[in-house]
Formats: sequence, structure tokens, C-alpha cells
Amino acid sequence: GAGVSQSPSNKVTEKGKDVELRCDPISGHTALYWYRQSLGQGLEFLIYFQGNSAPDKSGLPSDRFSAERTGGSVSTLTIQRTQQEDSAVYLCASRAKRGTGELFFGEGSRLTVL
Amino acid sequence: GIQVEQSPPDLILQEGANSTLRCNFSDSVNNLQWFHQNPWGQLINLFYIPSGTKQNGRLSATTVATERYSLLYISSSQTTDSGVYFCAVDFGNEKLTFGTGTRLTIIP
Repeated sequence: GAGVSQSPSNKVTEKGKDVELRCDPISGHTALYWYRQSLGQGLEFLIYFQGNSAPDKSGLPSDRFSAERTGGSVSTLTIQRTQQEDSAVYLCASRAKRGTGELFFGEGSRLTVL
Repeated sequence: GIQVEQSPPDLILQEGANSTLRCNFSDSVNNLQWFHQNPWGQLINLFYIPSGTKQNGRLSATTVATERYSLLYISSSQTTDSGVYFCAVDFGNEKLTFGTGTRLTIIP
């Protein structure tokens, strides 16, 4: 597609359930990022994939969070045993190549944990 | 530590006014971007500007990397300019570190 695509756009879940959020980056972009934005806050880095390199997981807040990127394209962010503090908008971004160039963001997945 | 600071945190202006938003950063940068987050939450790319000056219509930006700041200028403000403006910086670790944003409200 022309832009970064994320699904679902909205997800409401119960505390303790697992959720999966999907990101489809811009075609041909080798770098993919996940960020989180809590209500009224700035963006917090979670994880970064670059080509076939090992991902930079330094921003993941706990071991309940994991992400994978299959075939160098689509990525899935998984949150296990969700907690209310996980409620936020999860934003995916992609960039054409490492080290330089603009990041382009998707519209985000809004997660609400009841 | 690595920091990105934006000022002012909030700005309320009458339609037609001009404004300057500032971004200070604590270290040398590879990349710097300005984004507009509209009321629906979408992050819109405004400028990719690690150095120099760029203009796009009523908006322009200047980054002085040696002095570690960037400025975003908005002229002849319109109500559609309302939202939060973020500066985001890559300090060479290939990740964008975001500032806390400037919330701009344009009153008709």
C-alpha cells in the first residue's frame, strides 16, 4: 500500500487477555519501528527492526511485550496478560533504509484494557 | 542523558497570527523531523531537517545543528493548524527520540 497500515484500529480487551497488533510497512522499507503513546503523552520507543539484523528491543517495558517481523515485511506486536497500564495507542513506523531518511507513521492501534 | 525539549508547551493564538516553536536537543544529531499530530491522532510529516532551512507553504523550519536547536515557523495560522507539534531526533542510534510536544490551539 501507499502508507503504513495498522490493524486493528481499535481493540478493547479484558485484563489478563493476550492481544496482537499488526503493522504492514510501506513496501520496500527495510526499517520498522513500534512506538507507544499514552493519553496526553509523547511517543515512547518500543522496538526497532532493520532488515535481517537482530531487533533492538531496548524499549520494551516488560517481558509481556514481544514483537516479530516475518519476511522482512509485516510485523506483529504481542502483549501477553494485558494490564490496565498497557492502554495506549500503539504506533508503527517505517523508513526506507537504515541511518537516514524520514520515518512514516501509521494511524495507530488504540488499545483499551478494562 | 539524551534529551529533546520543546517550548512552549502550550500556545493559543488567534487565526492569522504567526508562531515559532522551538526544539532543543542535548547532543549531535543524524536526523531531525517535525510532525503535526492532528486531533484524530494521525502523525503527519512536516519536515525532515537534520540541518539547514526548508519551507513548505506557510510552514518553514530551521535546524542549527552546531547550536543544538531547531525552529518551526507557522505563518498566517489557520484553525486546521491546531494540534500537537512534535520534534523528534535521531542521536545516531537509529531511533527517533520525541520531545514532549507543543499543543497549538488556533481560535477563529
